[in-house]
Amino acid sequence: NAGVMQNPRHLVRRRGQEARLRCSPMKGHSHVYWYRQLPEEGLKFMVYLQKENIIDESGMPKERFSAEFPKEGPSILRIQQVVRGDSAAYFCASSPTAGEDTQYFGPGTRLTVL
Amino acid sequence: QQQVKQSPQSLIVQKGGIPIINCAYENTAFDYFPWYQQFPGKGPALLIAIRPDVSEKKEGRFTISFNKSAKQFSLHIMDSQPGDSATYFCAANLGDSNYQLIWGAGTKLIIKP
Repeated sequence: NAGVMQNPRHLVRRRGQEARLRCSPMKGHSHVYWYRQLPEEGLKFMVYLQKENIIDESGMPKERFSAEFPKEGPSILRIQQVVRGDSAAYFCASSPTAGEDTQYFGPGTRLTVL
Repeated sequence: QQQVKQSPQSLIVQKGGIPIINCAYENTAFDYFPWYQQFPGKGPALLIAIRPDVSEKKEGRFTISFNKSAKQFSLHIMDSQPGDSATYFCAANLGDSNYQLIWGAGTKLIIKP
């Protein structure tokens, strides 16, 4: 059973470009969570999605950031017009149900903005 | 009130020693407290978790001690090995009613051979 998959693992963008981060949850999991980790810090919740629905995006910056989890395909975290402050590791986690405490994390995408 | 405070920031222990990492919280509604282990370049992996109805949970060499009245919980690693060197995060959430994990800032643990 493959774990949570994220790609790309490393992404370099110049300021002003767009970054697209993909997450495929574990098989049978329909709940996806995105977190951001700055160097030397813990993870910060960004958004929680179920298939075709955004359940909670309270941790997501109001501008430039968006997320989706379509009926088919991976969840996408999209950052438009990236700035240097967006440089971080972005982790996706999944769980089978909303009430399931355990979240399983992917290996992360390390975004570097030049 | 939604914070989880973790200490120390870093810790160096000799092989065989017992590193102890502490976390404190304010929100008494938290009812699920997991610990995650993260190796460099990898995502966090669940190590062990506890609920407030027990004061201690042991899995292999890893033990969580939980003090509900003090709103503190800690991770102990028995017979520590160099392979345990990693960053450890405590976290908390509201269990069934809340999916958001609130994370501590992490403890970078080094086990010296």
